[in-house]
Amino acid sequence: QLQLQESGPGLVKPSETLSLSCTVFGGSISSSDCHWGWIRQPPGKALEWIGSVYYSGSTYYNPSLKSGVTISVDTSKNQFSLKMTSVTAADTAIYYCARRKGFCSAGSCHFDYWGQGILVTVSS
Amino acid sequence: QSALTQPASVSGSPGQSITISCTGTSSDVGNYNFVSWYQHHPGKAPKLMIYDVSKRPSGVSNRISGSKSGNTASLTISGLQAEDEADYYCCSHAGNSLFWVFGGGTKLTVL
Repeated sequence: QLQLQESGPGLVKPSETLSLSCTVFGGSISSSDCHWGWIRQPPGKALEWIGSVYYSGSTYYNPSLKSGVTISVDTSKNQFSLKMTSVTAADTAIYYCARRKGFCSAGSCHFDYWGQGILVTVSS
Repeated sequence: QSALTQPASVSGSPGQSITISCTGTSSDVGNYNFVSWYQHHPGKAPKLMIYDVSKRPSGVSNRISGSKSGNTASLTISGLQAEDEADYYCCSHAGNSLFWVFGGGTKLTVL
């Protein structure tokens, strides 16, 4: 059974960089038919897709988010990471990592496994 | 404001059926058959219940079904059970501009 686990600091100061990692257990991050993504949920608000990465390093980001978002992959550690620079209180949210299975161009794509989420609070 | 619109709450008695709607636009739900639904108990990992509009992953009860008409997708749970009480979210592919959009979530209460 595939499992994903988020890790990182739960408190970040405004204007600093938010850094989170997601470790994949029970499967390889180098699977050719999967992307790996970050999704967040601010308190009382909807889920919001942040971006995704393929094991090759190709990335896709939500254009509605401000610049400063970087998602990267480390296949040697079976991990992928999220960095968001210059955070504000509006970036306070539960951050989830998830596996996106399949290719839309091939007729099927969806997030199938998620982590439990990690609450990140932006506050001084 | 959520990209996809869901009712904030629905409720039903054990044994009854309920349907949760998810309304988008012709740029997402209406244009792609890549709608998925997730069951979420707070503090736990969201669980995939339906993908590609109407497909059920292995292990998901056949009481769960999904459909789509135009810009609106729907999740139906029949034979409600207490264990179905949770938050439910829809998600749709939105093309190469926005990629993925989610609904605001619906809280299902089993009376």
